[in-house]
Amino acid sequence: DSGVTQTPKHLITATGQRVTLRCSPRSGDLSVYWYQQSLDQGLQFLIQYYNGEERAKGNILERFSAQQFPDLHSELNLSSLELGDSALYFCASSAPARVGMAETQYFGPGTRLLVL
Amino acid sequence: GQNIDQPTEMTATEGAIVQINCTYQTSGFNGLFWYQQHAGEAPTFLSYNVLDGLEEKGRFSSFLSRSKGYSYLLLKELQMKDSASYLCAVRSLGGNNRKLIWGLGTSLAVNP
Repeated sequence: DSGVTQTPKHLITATGQRVTLRCSPRSGDLSVYWYQQSLDQGLQFLIQYYNGEERAKGNILERFSAQQFPDLHSELNLSSLELGDSALYFCASSAPARVGMAETQYFGPGTRLLVL
Repeated sequence: GQNIDQPTEMTATEGAIVQINCTYQTSGFNGLFWYQQHAGEAPTFLSYNVLDGLEEKGRFSSFLSRSKGYSYLLLKELQMKDSASYLCAVRSLGGNNRKLIWGLGTSLAVNP
């Protein structure tokens, strides 16, 4: 158990709909990362937040948005869903960067999204 | 551009040793990670290298050569439960952009 929690575990919805995925980081971690992993695809970095502020952006579609709240939990919003958005969505968190520290990312169990 | 290469698939026998290679081309280098991912599950952290040389952790070791842009993960005394995908990830130079660049993973099948 990494200490990162994600809800829901599974989500089935229809094309055109909107869903919200939730992530709680490990205690003390300030950074939250969102990733998408489709079948037989590698991890695609979507976005990173650090202490409530957007830190880095990856291949995130305009239909997707995220935020990190004052209590450091994060939500990923996916709208106008398409069949191709069906994937595993992972959240990861890491402790604040320090000299000599790895800033290792620890992953939550993921949310499996199926768009029908 | 930035690129990480790993073999797509490997097969090994229970009890044997296997080496999974990773080569990278990135704009600067600030550390390399190896993760293990079982099918349908989250990636779990295995090792971190930032200086050249070998880091040993039980049955798993990871090696780094920064001058060659090369790393390998060595798995000894293979067990069936080691069947998984192994992901190599590199952190390029810092600043505000601290994202990792991920390889596509090497799917390892351990046979009895």
